[in-house]
Amino acid sequence: GAVVSQHPSWVICKSGTSVKIECRSLDFQATTMFWYRQFPKQSLMLMATSNEGSKATYEQGVEKDKFLINHASLTLSTLTVTSAHPEDSSFYICSASRPSLGQFFGPGTRLTVL
Amino acid sequence: KQEVTQIPAALSVPEGENLVLNCSFTDSAIYNLQWFRQDPGKGLTSLLLIQSSQREQTSGRLNASLDKSSGRSTLYIAASQPGDSATYLCAVRADSGSARQLTFGSGTQLTVLP
Repeated sequence: GAVVSQHPSWVICKSGTSVKIECRSLDFQATTMFWYRQFPKQSLMLMATSNEGSKATYEQGVEKDKFLINHASLTLSTLTVTSAHPEDSSFYICSASRPSLGQFFGPGTRLTVL
Repeated sequence: KQEVTQIPAALSVPEGENLVLNCSFTDSAIYNLQWFRQDPGKGLTSLLLIQSSQREQTSGRLNASLDKSSGRSTLYIAASQPGDSATYLCAVRADSGSARQLTFGSGTQLTVLP
């Protein structure tokens, strides 16, 4: 099956710093990429949807200036958490999709903000 | 707005038992329904996908059913094993919209005791 990678797999940072998470589709070109956030013992909540070369569409309640999404190519999307605070600590999962193939999920990135 | 509910939230069974996980959704206008497995701190593994026109799908010891009109799906696991211990997520895909977004349930945490 198609493979989606994320880097880093975990990150610890100080409050106020920015953190970038990369999501790559390794063996296919993704027309759409999704970013999800998952708090402990809760489900995945969609944060935003992005198509290559266009601005991301954010879900209600997600601050676009805080969670910057760049979808520069058909195989790479980045999520930057700007001025991170402890409440941003969560498990971030990306997903890449292509209509003819389906939707595939990355292994997730654990963010801990001290 | 689609809402997906999974019952029970947690389940503990002895090895060898057959078990059923339940998923319900509020909007029956779905494109498909998917069951995932998530191990602690990991991403998602797709188990079964049922198209809206289908009633069930089987893979090995797993059988998923879909009753679209009543907004329900079940995941049946036969002869459970300790390796089946994980969180099982149900997700429905919208029938419309450019990205046909997935909406996830909060999951059932399964523990199979040896």
